[in-house]
Amino acid sequence: EVQLVESGGDLVQPGGSLRLSCAASGFRFTKYWMHWVRQAPGKGLEWVADIKPDGSETYYVDSVRGRFTISRDNAKDSLYLQMNSLRAEDTAMYYCVKDSTKWAFDYWGQGTLVTVSS
Amino acid sequence: QSVLTQPPSVSAAPGQKVTISCSGSSSNIGSHYVSWYQQLPGTAPKLLIYENNQRPSGIPDRFSGSKSGTSATLDITGLQTGDEADYYCVTWDGSLSVWVFGEGTKLTVL
Repeated sequence: EVQLVESGGDLVQPGGSLRLSCAASGFRFTKYWMHWVRQAPGKGLEWVADIKPDGSETYYVDSVRGRFTISRDNAKDSLYLQMNSLRAEDTAMYYCVKDSTKWAFDYWGQGTLVTVSS
Repeated sequence: QSVLTQPPSVSAAPGQKVTISCSGSSSNIGSHYVSWYQQLPGTAPKLLIYENNQRPSGIPDRFSGSKSGTSATLDITGLQTGDEADYYCVTWDGSLSVWVFGEGTKLTVL
């Protein structure tokens, strides 16, 4: 059974940093692109970033490029999102998402909540 | 404002059919596969349709997808109260080089 378990969400002040983690199990982690998708309270879904199976390529939405860094540790079947210079508009539930290789996201974690507020 | 346009809400009675539209452009829907997701209240999204019209195992055939030009649609037949959720379309945008989500459509089963 595929499982994606996020952690690391917290209340942080504007300008602060946070590192999200996602522990993956139930599939061959090293074979798949992985993504972070977020959802602000009461709002829609927004793709944030993704990373190639070997970690050699990463892509970001414009609003986080230069502030967020996606990474992975294939030895630990884990995905990360380092979030720096956080802003109020980064407040959201952050989901760890597995790519299906068929132009879709086939498994989602339960999410971890990041709140940026003073 | 998203590059993919969905109606904010749709509604229909139990047992009826509803169609949710997703309108984009040549750089996204017009040239890439579309997927659809269901998000029940308080839960993570769930994949319903991939590659425009394919259902993952376990998804009932009451859910179907299609694409024509720069628009896609999700049809749900035999509506059940348990189908009340938010529904999102997603595709890749080749001009923006990002995955784009529709704004979401809230389905109410009256």
